[in-house]
Amino acid sequence: NAGVTQTPKFRVLKTGQSMTLLCAQDMNHEYMYWYRQDPGMGLRLIHYSVGEGTTAKGEVPDGYNVSRLKKQNFLLGLESAAPSQTSVYFCASNPFRQDQETQYFGPGTRLLVL
Amino acid sequence: KNQVEQSPQSLIILEGKNCTLQCNYTVSPFSNLRWYKQDTGRGPVSLTIMTFSENTKSNGRYTATLDADTKQSSLHITASQLSDSASYICVVSALGGATNKLIFGTGTLLAVQP
Repeated sequence: NAGVTQTPKFRVLKTGQSMTLLCAQDMNHEYMYWYRQDPGMGLRLIHYSVGEGTTAKGEVPDGYNVSRLKKQNFLLGLESAAPSQTSVYFCASNPFRQDQETQYFGPGTRLLVL
Repeated sequence: KNQVEQSPQSLIILEGKNCTLQCNYTVSPFSNLRWYKQDTGRGPVSLTIMTFSENTKSNGRYTATLDADTKQSSLHITASQLSDSASYICVVSALGGATNKLIFGTGTLLAVQP
């Protein structure tokens, strides 16, 4: 049971380039999330999914797109990277609604946009 | 505006000593409060989750308290160990629609020295 895994661990992009971050979980969780973590700020929600085939916008969705074609995978795409998207990205999942459920986080993807 | 504030920003203690971290929040409607531990370069890991009716919850040497009237929480670490060096993040869950909204504090960075 690997939990939540993220690929890649680290990436450097030039402004304007595109990339996809992959999140995978093997716990059969319904809910999945993408966050970004910046120095001096709390984690901020980018997009989330409440089940296979669904996605919804979070707090800071601009410049990102997501897809949840399979229950175990949640992809985060950057179509045209900007320096402001330099951050550490975390994926998380939990079984059902967050009311009493622990969120399980992945190890993070560190992205640098030059 | 929903906010979570943590204090102190950083803390240095000697191994074996106790410490207490603080969290004040203005979140409505309140669902639950969580404490996470985040090691450097890793994703957050859940320590405790407390609902409105719970005053205290323990997880080994970690004890969290919640005063819903004053909207304050604390995390007490007993007999600290070097492995406790990490960022401790207070997270408050606000009741929402499809999924609750999590408001993250910026964390307290704890360094335990030998």
